[in-house]
Amino acid sequence: AQTVTQSQPEMSVQEAETVTLSCTYDTSESNYYLFWYKQPPSRQMILVIRQEAYKQQNATENRFSVNFQKAAKSFSLKISDSQLGDTAMYFCAFPIRGANNLFFGTGTRLTVIP
Amino acid sequence: KAGVTQTPRYLIKTRGQQVTLSCSPISGHRSVSWYQQTPGQGLQFLFEYFSETQRNKGNFPGRFSGRQFSNSRSEMNVSTLELGDSALYLCASSLGQGREAFFGQGTRLTVV
Repeated sequence: AQTVTQSQPEMSVQEAETVTLSCTYDTSESNYYLFWYKQPPSRQMILVIRQEAYKQQNATENRFSVNFQKAAKSFSLKISDSQLGDTAMYFCAFPIRGANNLFFGTGTRLTVIP
Repeated sequence: KAGVTQTPRYLIKTRGQQVTLSCSPISGHRSVSWYQQTPGQGLQFLFEYFSETQRNKGNFPGRFSGRQFSNSRSEMNVSTLELGDSALYLCASSLGQGREAFFGQGTRLTVV
């Protein structure tokens, strides 16, 4: 069965500092995608970053980057130069096998402290 | 390009009633998925529609149903509402498998 685990329910970081959110998953597939989504208090789920498993290079989007370890089935999100607007719930998500919908982790609530 | 639009944003219903939620996907997106989000269960997949056909269904009772129209707009219906159906219902659209899903702002359903 596919699983997604986020072991950090809550985290906090000082403004301008760096924080890493962890995510592990389990799958028997060899080619797949992984996503990080952000849900601020407004509730709108926003895509932060996407990683394709067959790509060796870690994805990067401005201040957001991932550390993708395929063998370890680990997919962590690093946020550099944290800003107040980064305060949100962060979800790691994984497409359900053979489908177009996502299986979400339980989320990490990140608070950026001024 | 307009984003995913969900209506209404808020709903209050009484136990036993039924409710219909609507989702208009991004233009050109034929896949629409529905999710239920609660504090206790987190985000759970309800069902996915593609070109008017239900392709996948989550583990929810038959009281939860949906459909998709030829213009890709989708509706979900919950009949015989229970208190436990109180949740944020999110709709997402995408171009296809592996592509990112774009979410609407959700419908907050409260059952009293």
